[in-house]
Amino acid sequence: ETGVTQTPRHLVMGMTNKKSLKCEQHLGHNAMYWYKQSAKKPLELMFVYNFKEQTENNSVPSRFSPECPNSSHLFLHLHTLQPEDSALYLCASSQMAGEDYEQYFGPGTRLTVT
Amino acid sequence: GQNIDQPTEMTATEGAIVQINCTYQTSGFNGLFWYQQHAGEAPTFLSYNVLDGLEEKGRFSSFLSRSKGYSYLLLKELQMKDSASYLCAVREGDYQLIWGAGTKLIIKP
Repeated sequence: ETGVTQTPRHLVMGMTNKKSLKCEQHLGHNAMYWYKQSAKKPLELMFVYNFKEQTENNSVPSRFSPECPNSSHLFLHLHTLQPEDSALYLCASSQMAGEDYEQYFGPGTRLTVT
Repeated sequence: GQNIDQPTEMTATEGAIVQINCTYQTSGFNGLFWYQQHAGEAPTFLSYNVLDGLEEKGRFSSFLSRSKGYSYLLLKELQMKDSASYLCAVREGDYQLIWGAGTKLIIKP
């Protein structure tokens, strides 16, 4: 149990669908992250929130929209995705962003876009 | 540009020692992390280096040379459960972590 949970664990969606990924951390952390992990590729940092404020948006297409209502919850809203967006989406949290704290990862959502 | 290189795959024998190398070229450096990721699971933190030298933590040790842009993870007394991918990541700026593609380690009896 890592203290970071993600739902759903698996998601299949069509290119015209709208869906949301949810992440919750039970560690009292103040920073949360979204990553994309594709097979045999490095983890790609998508978004960083520190104390509920977005601090990084690494040129992520607008079809991915993050939301962080509080320090414990993070959402990734998806709409009009492309097949190349199929990947494992990992959420992580840390004590704070911008410091040397390790990140704790959730189990991920395996997304397939058809 | 940003680049982190790790071997794609390594094989070692149970009970032996293995060294997984990581070389990096980044525009900034504020520390280097190693994570372990078992197949189908989340990455878990192993070690962090910000100063040159060796950090030892049980069977695992991590080394950093900032002047050479080089780190390694040393795993001793290998166990079958050590079969996993090992990810190297460099904290480049305030919030940015640059990740390597990972080294898949296969342990054979």
